[in-house]
Amino acid sequence: DVKVTQSSRYLVKRTGEKVFLECVQDMDHENMFWYRQDPGLGLRLIYFSYDVKMKEKGDIPEGYSVSREKKERFSLILESASTNQTSMYLCASSWLVTSAKETQYFGPGTRLLVL
Amino acid sequence: AQTVTQSQPEMSVQEAETVTLSCTYDTSENNYYLFWYKQPPSRQMILVIRQEAYKQQNATENRFSVNFQKAAKSFSLKISDSQLGDTAMYFCAFMFRRGNTPLVFGKGTRLSVIA
Repeated sequence: DVKVTQSSRYLVKRTGEKVFLECVQDMDHENMFWYRQDPGLGLRLIYFSYDVKMKEKGDIPEGYSVSREKKERFSLILESASTNQTSMYLCASSWLVTSAKETQYFGPGTRLLVL
Repeated sequence: AQTVTQSQPEMSVQEAETVTLSCTYDTSENNYYLFWYKQPPSRQMILVIRQEAYKQQNATENRFSVNFQKAAKSFSLKISDSQLGDTAMYFCAFMFRRGNTPLVFGKGTRLSVIA
């Protein structure tokens, strides 16, 4: 079974803190994604990566950065957390070549509260 | 940019009844996939069903089936014999049939199955 794990299920941080959210997948997937999920807004893509050290901006990259130093690990960084970044963060991974059998596999999510 | 629209923010259905969730999308391309994902309360997002745009036959997975109308750009999900465990957020998603492309999600429909 594909496993995508996220470092924390719940996180409470203060405004201005630097926050690291870690995601690890065990299926040798090339693609990894970070989404933000808010009620009424669905899932919005923050960043994705299709290879080590590669990254692409999604729909809402402002206030975030990412790091992919190893294939299995994709980190989301909030350089200076703000209250409007309080949200659920979902990590996902998939193979590079899109095929009929494949899809994105999701982690359990990290619920972040910024006070 | 591609958009996915789910016009029903919330729905409810009696146990054992049938319910249909709506989804429309907008794209000028011909080669893509469509997905329905399920996110149970406090649990991980999982794939329910996928449809390849070049296939005319509607996909079916046990009690779940889709009505794919390519010309109308419509992709509805039908759940037959609804069960309490079907209570979840359901997201419709679109993806191009090529590598390095992320999913584009709708805003979701919250489905409640009532005993």
